[in-house]
Amino acid sequence: NAGVTQTPKFRVLKTGQSMTLLCAQDMNHEYMYWYRQDPGMGLRLIHYSVGEGTTAKGEVPDGYNVSRLKKQNFLLGLESAAPSQTSVYFCASRFPSTANYGYTFGSGTRLTVV
Amino acid sequence: GENVEQHPSTLSVQEGDSAVIKCTYSDSASNYFPWYKQELGKRPQLIIDIRSNVGEKKDQRIAVTLNKTAKHFSLHITETQPEDSAVYFCAASKPPNDYKLSFGAGTTVTVRA
Repeated sequence: NAGVTQTPKFRVLKTGQSMTLLCAQDMNHEYMYWYRQDPGMGLRLIHYSVGEGTTAKGEVPDGYNVSRLKKQNFLLGLESAAPSQTSVYFCASRFPSTANYGYTFGSGTRLTVV
Repeated sequence: GENVEQHPSTLSVQEGDSAVIKCTYSDSASNYFPWYKQELGKRPQLIIDIRSNVGEKKDQRIAVTLNKTAKHFSLHITETQPEDSAVYFCAASKPPNDYKLSFGAGTTVTVRA
């Protein structure tokens, strides 16, 4: 049981390049989320998904796209990276239970755009 | 959307003393308030949470209090130890209809030996 796994762990991109961050969970969680963490700003929601084939925008969705083709995977794409997207990205998931609303986080992806 | 404000942004305490972090939220419909601890270079981990039908919850040295009328909640850490040094985040949401957590900006707690 690996929990929530993010790949890659580190990446350096040049402005204008594209990339995809992968989040995989093996806990059969229905809900999945992508957050970005910047100093002094906490965790801000980019996009989220409440089930396979569904996605929705969060607080800061511009410049990102997502897909949830399989229940266990949630992909975050940057089509044309900008220096403002330099951040640490965390994926999280949770089970749709009224007994437990807590998130399980992945270990993060540190992205630098130069 | 929900706006969560967290204070202070940094907190330095002597080992053995207590630490208190306060958060306020804007949406009176919010009913779930978790606290996450993030050690340096690690992922955030849930340490305690409270729902709106409860005023206080304790788990060993940590406790959370909620004042729904004033729309604020607080994390209390007693008898602080060096391993309590971390960034702490509060959050709010309104399940079951809203699946998203809104986080505060975080508090960096340093416990001095």
